[in-house]
Amino acid sequence: NAGVTQTPKFRVLKTGQSMTLLCAQDMNHEYMYWYRQDPGMGLRLIHYSVGEGTTAKGEVPDGYNVSRLKKQNFLLGLESAAPSQTSVYFCASSPRTGLKQYFGPGTRLTVT
Amino acid sequence: EDKVVQSPLSLVVHEGDTVTLNCSYEVTNFRSLLWYKQEKKAPTFLFMLTSSGIEKKSGRLSSILDKKELFSILNITATQTGDSAIYLCAVGIAETSGSRLTFGEGTQLTVNP
Repeated sequence: NAGVTQTPKFRVLKTGQSMTLLCAQDMNHEYMYWYRQDPGMGLRLIHYSVGEGTTAKGEVPDGYNVSRLKKQNFLLGLESAAPSQTSVYFCASSPRTGLKQYFGPGTRLTVT
Repeated sequence: EDKVVQSPLSLVVHEGDTVTLNCSYEVTNFRSLLWYKQEKKAPTFLFMLTSSGIEKKSGRLSSILDKKELFSILNITATQTGDSAIYLCAVGIAETSGSRLTFGEGTQLTVNP
């Protein structure tokens, strides 16, 4: 049981490049989330999904897109990366019945 | 706008000390309050509180929620160097599009030997 996994662990992008971060969970959870964490700012919600084929905006959605084509996967896309998107990105999942979220190990993204 | 505020933002103590971390909140549609511990990588779950006045305990850690005054505290007694971490408070909010968490900034705790 791997829990929540994220790919890649590290990435360096140049301004304007695009990339996709992959999150996968094997706990059969309904809900999945993408956060970013910056120094002194805690975790901020980018987008989330309450089920396959559905997504919703969080606090800081601009510059990101998401897709949930399969229940176990949640993709976060950056179409045109900017230095302001340098951050650590965490994915999380939770069962429908509760708010306790399980986190992946994070992806450190640097945009130069 | 939903708001979760933690204090202090950072704290340095010696092994054996007792610490109290604070979390206050102003949110609509409160469902629960959660505490997480974050060391190098992913946050790990500590407690979830939904009712006022009921203390949750796990070893040297305990937490309590006051829904009238809108705050929670996390106590750590007899601190150890392994308690050094960021402690995150999050409030669970119910929305029509599903439930989500709003996090505070975190408290960076350093325990020196």
